Amino acid sequence: EAGVTQFPSHSVIEKGQTVTLRCDPISGHDNLYWYRRVMGKEIKFLLHFVKESKQDESGMPNNRFLAERTGGTYSTLKVQPAELEDSGVYFCASSQDRDQPQHFGDGTRLSIL
Amino acid sequence: GQNIDQPTEMTATEGAIVQINCTYQTSGFNGLFWYQQHAGEAPTFLSYNVLDGLEEKGRFSSFLSRSKGYSYLLLKELQMKDSASYLCAVREVTGGGNKLTFGTGTQLKVEL
Repeated sequence: EAGVTQFPSHSVIEKGQTVTLRCDPISGHDNLYWYRRVMGKEIKFLLHFVKESKQDESGMPNNRFLAERTGGTYSTLKVQPAELEDSGVYFCASSQDRDQPQHFGDGTRLSIL
Repeated sequence: GQNIDQPTEMTATEGAIVQINCTYQTSGFNGLFWYQQHAGEAPTFLSYNVLDGLEEKGRFSSFLSRSKGYSYLLLKELQMKDSASYLCAVREVTGGGNKLTFGTGTQLKVEL
């Protein structure tokens, strides 16, 4: 069984540009989560999807961040326009139902110059 | 809000036993999870507790006391490959969703 996959593994862009991160959850997992870790800090929750619906987006930093999960399969997280403080590692996780453990992808390392 | 504390780093000897503690303050508690993370890799799920007591999974065990806001991860028969960061995370139910709140992680170094 394939795990959670994220693309790209690394992205380097300039301030003001747009970047889109993609996450493919484990097949059959309705619950999909986005987290991020900025330098020296703990991993922090961004939002939670159940299928295509956003259940909790309380962790989204501001309106420069847009997450979608059309069709309830893969998800994208777009940052537009990117700012320096957006640099960090963005993790995606999925679980079969909300009571099961979340399984994480390797993350996308995002660097804003 | 949530507050999770765990030691920043620990060192132990190959073959020994190590206990990594985690204390938390939370609302809406719905489980405590332990993850292992090697540098540049995904956090890997190890163990979790929803009810008080000990959960054992091979060389790894996790304990929870909800009244004390306390958990520990016990690693037995340490191996060099166990050198990694160990993350304590509390699951909180929020309306229709749930989320994990992580501690900063404990960097474990296993020495010969």
